[in-house]
Amino acid sequence: KAGVTQTPRYLIKTRGQQVTLSCSPISGHRSVSWYQQTPGQGLQFLFEYFSETQRNKGNFPGRFSGRQFSNSRSEMNVSTLELGDSALYLCASSLDPNTEAFFGQGTRLTVV
Amino acid sequence: AQSVTQLDSQVPVFEEAPVELRCNYSSSVSVYLFWYVQYPNQGLQLLLKYLSGSTLVESINGFEAEFNKSQTSFHLRKPSVHISDTAEYFCAVSAGGTSYGKLTFGQGTILTVHP
Repeated sequence: KAGVTQTPRYLIKTRGQQVTLSCSPISGHRSVSWYQQTPGQGLQFLFEYFSETQRNKGNFPGRFSGRQFSNSRSEMNVSTLELGDSALYLCASSLDPNTEAFFGQGTRLTVV
Repeated sequence: AQSVTQLDSQVPVFEEAPVELRCNYSSSVSVYLFWYVQYPNQGLQLLLKYLSGSTLVESINGFEAEFNKSQTSFHLRKPSVHISDTAEYFCAVSAGGTSYGKLTFGQGTILTVHP
């Protein structure tokens, strides 16, 4: 069974640009969550989607958005990139909220 | 709201020695507890979980953790570590269905195993 797949693995963007990250969950998993990992703030929850609906959102500005498609694949978008958005972005999928989450390898975003 | 405190940011230990990585949590509701491990430039791998049932949970590679509700702790232990256990370990808590997929993580503990 394939794991959680995130693309691309690495990305370099310029301040002010926007970026879209992609996540394909484990087959059959309908819940997809996104996290930002930085040395200073650690792992922080961005948002969670289930059956194409955002059910929970972390404390991030509106520049961070996401969506989920009918096949459970998810994308997150960051507009007007800032240097502080440089981070490892992790996607996780789970069967439902009462089970464990499985993480992808992450997308390393560098904003210059 | 939940919070997680990992009491040690770094734990150095010699190979074949025992190790304990400490984790305390706070929550006003029943929780699910997890330990994840992260190797350099990798995502998080689930090490073990407590969802319900026995308070002592074990992983396939020799780690174990015990859920202690009265002390709100979920410490991770291994009786004999190997060089390959060198990694960063994260304790996480979830309120299950009511949290809608949100995991709250501790700040991580870097375990370094020396030969």
